[in-house]
Amino acid sequence: DTEVTQTPKHLVMGMTNKKSLKCEQHMGHRAMYWYKQKAKKPPELMFVYSYEKLSINESVPSRFSPECPNSSLLNLHLHALQPEDSALYLCASSQDYRTRQPQHFGDGTRLSIL
Amino acid sequence: KNEVEQSPQNLTAQEGEFITINCSYSVGISALHWLQQHPGGGIVSLFMLSSGKKKHGRLIATINIQEKHSSLHITASHPRDSAVYICAVFLSCTGTASKLTFGTGTRLQVTL
Repeated sequence: DTEVTQTPKHLVMGMTNKKSLKCEQHMGHRAMYWYKQKAKKPPELMFVYSYEKLSINESVPSRFSPECPNSSLLNLHLHALQPEDSALYLCASSQDYRTRQPQHFGDGTRLSIL
Repeated sequence: KNEVEQSPQNLTAQEGEFITINCSYSVGISALHWLQQHPGGGIVSLFMLSSGKKKHGRLIATINIQEKHSSLHITASHPRDSAVYICAVFLSCTGTASKLTFGTGTRLQVTL
């Protein structure tokens, strides 16, 4: 069991659908991350939240919209996605973004766009 | 050329063998992460180190900052060790904080 919980584990959606991915941690971490991972490739950073504020957006298309309602939760809202957005979406957290701390990852949401 | 290179890319071993996975990087770093990713997708943090050596169970990680090289060793390997092992570094440049730069991973298969 991981300390970072992601839901759902699998998601299939059409290009016109709107859905959300959720991530939760109760370790008191103040930095949370979204990564995208294609098959047989390393994770690519999408967003970083530090103390519930967006710190980094790695030029991610606006069809991905992150939200951090509180220090334990991180959402990724999806709208009008493309087939190439099919991937594993990983959430991670760390104690603090300003000092280099180990990142704890969730099990990911496997997203398929039809 | 990637800033973080791993070797080998793929590795098959028999149960009980001693395994070494290598990571070389070409940039200044402040720390290095070894991560394990199972076929289901979840990633587990194995070690974070900035100098010397760390041990946890059958896993040992070493780093040589001068040579810009780290190794992950698995003693008495077991089929449940089959996974992708990823080396990731924190760059020492100011302003990058906790952003990780990932290697391409080493796919390990341990057979009976």
